[in-house]
Amino acid sequence: RKEVEQDPGPFNVPEGATVAFNCTYSNSASQSFFWYRQDCRKEPKLLMSVYSSGNEDGRFTAQLNRASQYISLLIRDSKLSDSATYLCVVNIHAGGTSYGKLTFGQGTILTVHP
Amino acid sequence: NAGVTQTPKFQVLKTGQSMTLQCAQDMNHNSMYWYRQDPGMGLRLIYYSASEGTTDKGEVPNGYNVSRLNKREFSLRLESAAPSQTSVYFCASRPSGTGYIQYFGAGTRLSVL
Repeated sequence: RKEVEQDPGPFNVPEGATVAFNCTYSNSASQSFFWYRQDCRKEPKLLMSVYSSGNEDGRFTAQLNRASQYISLLIRDSKLSDSATYLCVVNIHAGGTSYGKLTFGQGTILTVHP
Repeated sequence: NAGVTQTPKFQVLKTGQSMTLQCAQDMNHNSMYWYRQDPGMGLRLIYYSASEGTTDKGEVPNGYNVSRLNKREFSLRLESAAPSQTSVYFCASRPSGTGYIQYFGAGTRLSVL
């Protein structure tokens, strides 16, 4: 089983739609969670961190359920510019030290069309 | 503000050739990382350096070596390239402290024929 699993999609949605992505992680020692965005043929960039209480950044809302080991990302009022691959990312602590190593999901492809 | 700079951006090698991928960051970060990204596989960690003078293996280190030349620079070497090493390679860096956000370079697209 992969340590971080995402539905690869692709998700094709019209402008203005609301879309949700899910991610599960297998290691209960995971302590930090992120969503990164990767545009075609570009490097990953941090979209937002994910906090236990849930957090929002404009049209983007991230949720974390530690009991179910589940992370979600909700995008409201989708824009054409939201088209990208969204990577679920987890920092897994091992033996008290992790050197900041991140584990990446394979990514979910989103295409927003007019 | 350059951030993380990788060179070259593109490279084509023949099987058995060697090359070094260069990475430099100007953010005074302690930790640096090398990843490879293959279709459907996500990013996989090759090697990392928690601080200047230290390096450690990641998930897929075979066929690679690294050098943390100084705090700014972290290079990845392929001694004898194989077609299985065709991939996109990303370098990343992270500041010290408890935040685990990493900042990525633009990547190197490598093809091994």
